[in-house]
Amino acid sequence: QSVLTQPPSASGTPGQRVTISCSGSSSNIGSNALNWYQQLPGAAPKLLIYSNNQRPSGVPDRFSGSKSGTSASLAISGLRSEDEADYYCAAWDDSLYVYVFGPGTKVTVL
Amino acid sequence: QVQLVESGGGVVQPGRSLRLSCAASGFTFSNYALHWVRQAPGKGLEWVAVISYDGSYKYYADSVKGRFSISRDSSKNELYLQMNSLRVEDTAVYFCARDLKWLDRFEPWGQGTLVTVSS
Repeated sequence: QSVLTQPPSASGTPGQRVTISCSGSSSNIGSNALNWYQQLPGAAPKLLIYSNNQRPSGVPDRFSGSKSGTSASLAISGLRSEDEADYYCAAWDDSLYVYVFGPGTKVTVL
Repeated sequence: QVQLVESGGGVVQPGRSLRLSCAASGFTFSNYALHWVRQAPGKGLEWVAVISYDGSYKYYADSVKGRFSISRDSSKNELYLQMNSLRVEDTAVYFCARDLKWLDRFEPWGQGTLVTVSS
């Protein structure tokens, strides 16, 4: 059972907007920065969004993040075939003293 | 460029030990904390352990506490994970990752090394 919850899957056609939710608690999302990682098939994860809504250099602005209270979301606008991947939300948990990942959301481009 | 390369994975019997290594290059190793994260076949990511930039702080997931030990050697720019009393459920790809902000975010990640615990 993950401390953070995400939908197992999301899908859209090319060009559409897809949103992935991430829900936690006051000890993780509610008190620490929320990050998103993208894992392409067969590859290592990559930092996609950090500090709730910041994009590392090189990440397209089609990807955006937001956070409110103990929930966060990742939006992918202008969906492209190369966005097919698993997406994980993650944060440090002040109560458990561990870094927690969500279970991951598989994004499929139809 | 910043690079992390894991090694040491393989097939091991339950109850035995294995040590993973992560060779770092392209950055000042002694300035950064480092993490181990694992991924069981077909499953999601699970954080395993972290060590601070100077080795003075170490935290572990409950699932490995008391069995795994994280360490680092700044003279060699290497991170280690000593895994003892291995269980079938420890089977996973193990990634090392650089901590960009203490206990906050990781980048980059290595390519991973597969550990298979099986009799």
